[in-house]
Amino acid sequence: LAKTTQPISMDSYEGQEVNITCSHNNIATNDYITWYQQFPSQGPRFIIQGYKTKVTNEVASLFIPADRKSSTLSLPRVSLSDTAVYYCLVAPPGFQKLVFGTGTRLLVSP
Amino acid sequence: EAGVTQFPSHSVIEKGQTVTLRCDPISGHDNLYWYRRVMGKEIKFLLHFVKESKQDESGMPNNRFLAERTGGTYSTLKVQPAELEDSGVYFCASSLIEPGQGTYTGELFFGEGSRLTVL
Repeated sequence: LAKTTQPISMDSYEGQEVNITCSHNNIATNDYITWYQQFPSQGPRFIIQGYKTKVTNEVASLFIPADRKSSTLSLPRVSLSDTAVYYCLVAPPGFQKLVFGTGTRLLVSP
Repeated sequence: EAGVTQFPSHSVIEKGQTVTLRCDPISGHDNLYWYRRVMGKEIKFLLHFVKESKQDESGMPNNRFLAERTGGTYSTLKVQPAELEDSGVYFCASSLIEPGQGTYTGELFFGEGSRLTVL
């Protein structure tokens, strides 16, 4: 599996847009990019997945450049409840043995 | 629809004792996984069931850990005897088998985890 690199932590304020970038230089042709969110005392929760260009759902957007060596998770107008750890994972769809890195700890302040 | 449920939410035992963790996956999910995070480390894969069969148990740390999924429904993870380094949070997750058509993300649905403290 391709290794991913993302910032350890980020700080933001309520109402701001937050962009978390993940590097995955060794991404394979059949790999997808998936982001999970984890709140304290809970299990990870799937946010969004994409292969190329842009994907948007009700929670976030995922931007993937043409070379697919990086991706950016965009959270519009964050609130205090978005404080969590965000994990970027790269694997083929349905790959069972997910590799969670350290994730990015996002702290949203009033 | 009920999500993945795990029991107990927290267990405190002494070194050498036995603990059994239980996971009830989402109904209809044939894939069931166990992951864990030990103190200060990253979430690591332990094993994967497809129905009642162990598909991949390469992440199981040693033979003190035994996972079962009789009947292909709920699963148990037994630690016997427990050691101090087994302390951590054990997550169970489930997912669908890849369908033949349609958008498939392979999304894993995680439970809230069972926190194990070994004293």
